[in-house]
Amino acid sequence: RKEVEQDPGPFNVPEGATVAFNCTYSNSASQSFFWYRQDCRKEPKLLMSVYSSGNEDGRFTAQLNRASQYISLLIRDSKLSDSATYLCVVNRAYNQGGKLIFGQGTELSVKP
Amino acid sequence: GAVVSQHPSRVICKSGTSVKIECRSLDFQATTMFWYRQFPKQSLMLMATSNEGSKATYEQGVEKDKFLINHASLTLSTLTVTSAHPEDSSFYICSARKGGSTDTQYFGPGTRLTVL
Repeated sequence: RKEVEQDPGPFNVPEGATVAFNCTYSNSASQSFFWYRQDCRKEPKLLMSVYSSGNEDGRFTAQLNRASQYISLLIRDSKLSDSATYLCVVNRAYNQGGKLIFGQGTELSVKP
Repeated sequence: GAVVSQHPSRVICKSGTSVKIECRSLDFQATTMFWYRQFPKQSLMLMATSNEGSKATYEQGVEKDKFLINHASLTLSTLTVTSAHPEDSSFYICSARKGGSTDTQYFGPGTRLTVL
């Protein structure tokens, strides 16, 4: 079983749609959590960190449930420019190397 | 924001040659740098963790004699793919962390390696 697992994609949605991505992680000692965005043939870029209380940044809302080891990302009013692969990323505890572990990514395609 | 560069951005080489990729933190000192590999349609896989002045720590299944890592200064780490073969063709990405266990990792733009 992979340490970080995401919804298989791709998601094809019309502009303006709301789309939700789910992610689960298996290492209960994981320390911090992120969503990254990766455009085709580019490096991943940090979209937002995910906090236990849930957090929002404009049209993006991230949630974390430590008990269920579950992370989500909600995108409202999706734009064409949101088309990308979204990576769920977990940071292992420092005593486990403090490494970022990436999910396989979920591809989003927003159509006009 | 912190900037990480990689050079070259793209390289095509013949099978059997060695290729060196540089990763530089341009405006901060990176105590730790990480090297990842990404095959098409797959996620980033951590290859090794590179700490300045010490030997790199390789992930399971990554051959340390094939992927030589040197982190000679706080702003430069290099990855050398020795005796490259077509199956080594991939997107290699580095990241750098300023210091401390919780600092953000900043990613380089990646190097696309094609081995003919």
